[in-house]
Amino acid sequence: EPEVTQTPSHQVTQMGQEVILRCVPISNHLYFYWYRQILGQKVEFLVSFYNNEISEKSEIFDDQFSVERPDGSNFTLKIRSTKLEDSAMYFCASCPQPNTEAFFGQGTRLTVV
Amino acid sequence: QKEVEQDPGPLSVPEGAIVSLNCTYSNSAFQYFMWYRQYSRKGPELLMYTYSSGNKEDGRFTAQVDKSSKYISLFIRDSQPSDSATYLCAVQGGSEKLVFGKGTKLTVNP
Repeated sequence: EPEVTQTPSHQVTQMGQEVILRCVPISNHLYFYWYRQILGQKVEFLVSFYNNEISEKSEIFDDQFSVERPDGSNFTLKIRSTKLEDSAMYFCASCPQPNTEAFFGQGTRLTVV
Repeated sequence: QKEVEQDPGPLSVPEGAIVSLNCTYSNSAFQYFMWYRQYSRKGPELLMYTYSSGNKEDGRFTAQVDKSSKYISLFIRDSQPSDSATYLCAVQGGSEKLVFGKGTKLTVNP
């Protein structure tokens, strides 16, 4: 069964460092998303991406964040200068069309120390 | 008023019980409704997706939507210990983002 895959599963980084979280969406999907979940809190929307550009972003997704689809399969989230409060689980999701079923990856646990 | 409200529980039931999980939402623009299951430190796993009022059944799971009351439910019949997880409702409409509830932690005791 096709699935969204994310790497790494766990990333520890020092405050101020840049991190790149990687995702391989389901192959025939066209819409890609990043969400995050701080421990004990709700899953929160960060950004949606379609046709090689951001289609929607939340207030959380400030200038420190960027997304890219560098090739035909990968979808990345970059955090330029990590802060302690960026520590969270980051989930990538994809769906074939908007307003249809969104499938999530297993997440990357980011720990900023 | 929060966009999606979900009782966080925890909810503990014996094996074989019928489980009822509920969410309310505030914005009538939400037209698409999902239930996800999330095991500890794992990604949300899609269980049910629906966009119309009424019931949708898939095996032991039934999703129910009442748009007039802005109320969605998930019923689990013949619950099993493997159903122990956190259940998240999510709504969508008017934009691409999913808006999640806080999740209800369910434990099914053998």
